[in-house]
Amino acid sequence: SQTIHQWPATLVQPVGSPLSLECTVEGTSNPNLYWYRQAAGRGLQLLFYSVGIGQISSEVPQNLSASRPQDRQFILSSKKLLLSDSGFYLCAWSGDGGYNEQFFGPGTRLTVL
Amino acid sequence: AQKVTQAQTEISVVEKEDVTLDCVYETRDTTYYLFWYKQPPSGELVFLIRRNSFDEQNEISGRYSWNFQKSTSSFNFTITASQVVDSAVYFCVLYTGTASKLTFGTGTRLQVML
Repeated sequence: SQTIHQWPATLVQPVGSPLSLECTVEGTSNPNLYWYRQAAGRGLQLLFYSVGIGQISSEVPQNLSASRPQDRQFILSSKKLLLSDSGFYLCAWSGDGGYNEQFFGPGTRLTVL
Repeated sequence: AQKVTQAQTEISVVEKEDVTLDCVYETRDTTYYLFWYKQPPSGELVFLIRRNSFDEQNEISGRYSWNFQKSTSSFNFTITASQVVDSAVYFCVLYTGTASKLTFGTGTRLQVML
């Protein structure tokens, strides 16, 4: 069966510090991968998605970036965090085709102080 | 434009009551997909159901049932005999080829009390 891991689970970082969140998927090949952010009490905002190694599409211009160095690894990064980057970050995977259901990881709660 | 409206921000019920969560969607695409996700307090989103626009059959899975009506652009979710473990935020979600991504509603927070 497929599983999706995210770490760390929680993170407190000062403004201006770098960020690296990691997501890995097991039990499937060539998944579509997604990064979402959820602000407190709100729905999910798609940040990035990837259909293959090295292929990244950005939905929202901001100071975040994503990379996919391996088939089942998806990384979210920032060189300098802003206060507005605080939120709950969720990674998800799906089969080929955006119409397929997405399966989400446990999330990372990021607080920028 | 694609849009999902979940007008109920928060619902509180007593255990064993039935509860319906409303979802209204907007799209001009003729082919689209609708989903429901559950987000318990732990935060992880749990997939519940997917429907395509050509399948209007209602679906039942245990205590859960879904009513899809294209005529009113609605995809409502009913929990029968609610339990405390049903307490969560529930999201109705739309996928269209035009948007090429999931469009989430703002969610309905369900609290089931003893």
